[in-house]
Amino acid sequence: SQELEQSPQSLIVQEGKNLTINCTSSKTLYGLYWYKQKYGEGLIFLMMLQKGGEEKSHEKITAKLDEKKQQSSLHITASQPSHAGIYLCGADEAAGNKLTFGGGTRVLVKP
Amino acid sequence: DGGITQSPKYLFRKEGQNVTLSCEQNLNHDAMYWYRQDPGQGLRLIYYSQIVNDFQKGDIAEGYSVSREKKESFPLTVTSAQKNPTAFYLCASSIIPGGFLVYGYTFGSGTRLTVV
Repeated sequence: SQELEQSPQSLIVQEGKNLTINCTSSKTLYGLYWYKQKYGEGLIFLMMLQKGGEEKSHEKITAKLDEKKQQSSLHITASQPSHAGIYLCGADEAAGNKLTFGGGTRVLVKP
Repeated sequence: DGGITQSPKYLFRKEGQNVTLSCEQNLNHDAMYWYRQDPGQGLRLIYYSQIVNDFQKGDIAEGYSVSREKKESFPLTVTSAQKNPTAFYLCASSIIPGGFLVYGYTFGSGTRLTVV
């Protein structure tokens, strides 16, 4: 089955600083999804990427999928305390109709 | 408002007991999923269902059972055969137009199960 590696596992950033989270697959990604989770809660959808080289932005969060469709990055610009949480990438296997998730990245923003 | 509801939010189980976690959605989604999340880890797939009266095992199905008698409901039973059931359980649903996952999942708010 597909494996997704996220890095780093955790990071602490000063408020106002930028941060980047990476998600790497052993196989070609047919769809890559980024979610955010507050502790003890469900996952909130952030963005979906499907095409090689695709880039999407929403407010201060930008996600990219590389041309080979095996690596994605999530970049937060000028981080705020509201950006704290766990970020998870998920990917679907071709025609599998189910998502495999990375281990998550725990983000803490220091005021 | 449409959404996916999990209940209860917290559940305590004694050793040797079976417990059932509820998951209901009113989004008219075709597919439903159960995941388990352990502290500091990602999500692992337990079971999923794409149509009523049909479901498939995920990566860690042992010790769990499900049913899909209605499109809206996908309850998960944690049986006494599951040796380490303490975890956070998440239910999700999705539409699969043309048989393909296109829009990702909508998640419930989770149930935290603790063995006492």
